[in-house]
Formats: sequence, C-alpha cells, structure tokens
Amino acid sequence: GDSVTQMEGPVTLSEEAFLTINCTYTATGYPSLFWYVQYPGEGLQLLLKATKADDKGSNKGFEATYRKETTSFHLEKGSVQVSDSAVYFCALSDFGDDKIIFGKGTRLHILP
Amino acid sequence: EAGVTQFPSHSVIEKGQTVTLRCDPISGHDNLYWYRRVMGKEIKFLLHFVKESKQDESGMPNNRFLAERTGGTYSTLKVQPAELEDSGVYFCASSHPGGQIFGPGTRLTVL
Repeated sequence: GDSVTQMEGPVTLSEEAFLTINCTYTATGYPSLFWYVQYPGEGLQLLLKATKADDKGSNKGFEATYRKETTSFHLEKGSVQVSDSAVYFCALSDFGDDKIIFGKGTRLHILP
Repeated sequence: EAGVTQFPSHSVIEKGQTVTLRCDPISGHDNLYWYRRVMGKEIKFLLHFVKESKQDESGMPNNRFLAERTGGTYSTLKVQPAELEDSGVYFCASSHPGGQIFGPGTRLTVL
C-alpha cells in the first residue's frame, strides 16, 4: 500500500540555519503531496502542498518540490526561526482517494 | 469562520471503560474524517463520513470503535471497552475544496 517515510527526529538547529527534512513516498497512483505542521498545543495545519510532478509548494518561507523521478518531497527553509519549532508531517493523498497517509513526523527544535 | 473543534481536549480513563469523543466540523462541510496517532507512530486514517453516511471505514481498528454522525453535523467516536493500546491523539478533519482542515485533537490516555 501507499506509504510515506520521513527522517527521524528530533532535529535541533540554531536560529537562521538552513533546514532540510527529507521525505520519500510510495504510491500506486499519482498522489498529491503535503506537508503539515503541528505547533505546540495546536492542531495540524496544512503548510504547503503540490499536486503534480515538478510543482513547488511554498508557504512561510518553506518550500518543497514534487520529484516524481525520486519519489521525494523534501521540505526546506533557508533561515529558520525559533517560532518554527514544531512537528512536521509529510503526507500524501492518492488520486481519487480522500484519505491522507502520513509519515511519522519530525520534531524540530530551533535554538535562539 | 470557526474551525474544527473537538471535545474533550484530554481524557484519562481506565482500561475497560467507555469514552466518547466529539468532533464539530466547519459548518457546511459535508466530509468529515477521523484519524489517530498512537505514540511515536504515524497519524492513521480511521474513517470518512459524507454527510451522515460512512464513505470509508477501512481504517477502523476493530469493533470496539463506533463512529456516528447523526444528522450529518457533528460526529462522535466511541471506544468501548477501551484498551491500553487505544491511547493516542485522535484528530478530526473536515474538508473544503482546498483540502482537509484539522481540529486540535483529543489526547486519550488509557491506564
């Protein structure tokens, strides 16, 4: 079945560092890809998404590019802030199927 | 507009007891989903309602779990009897054309 694999955390960085969180997927169809974020004490929020190959999703300085050839959707940010500390989930939704399949989540700590 | 709300935010019960979780979707959203995250694992799909009908319940773990959505508005998820492995965070989401909007979750602890 479909699945998502993302790098294990926690990831600890200093403020203004460059961030990459790796994500790869397995899907039988042509999925849409997502990054969700959960800030402390809050619910899941959609951070960005991409629906077809080579699309780049972006939001709040974060970016991820849908790479069909490597089945990847890595999350990047050029300069992280303390307020980016959260748990990040890579996810997919296969075409024609509403349910979302999530990775295990990566906890990110940003130190001032 | 109000978001997806869930009640309670936390619940601590003993093994064998019954717990009912509630989800209020965004008004007008016909699609409602339940997910859960067991400690350290992925967030997993449980089921999907379209209005009051169960569209997909393939993720429901066993018959101790019962979900309802009478009248196509709010939904409840009952666990009876609860077991230790049911501990986790239960998320509800409702959908609009841009995607699913999640509630804050209910943290369930079974002792």
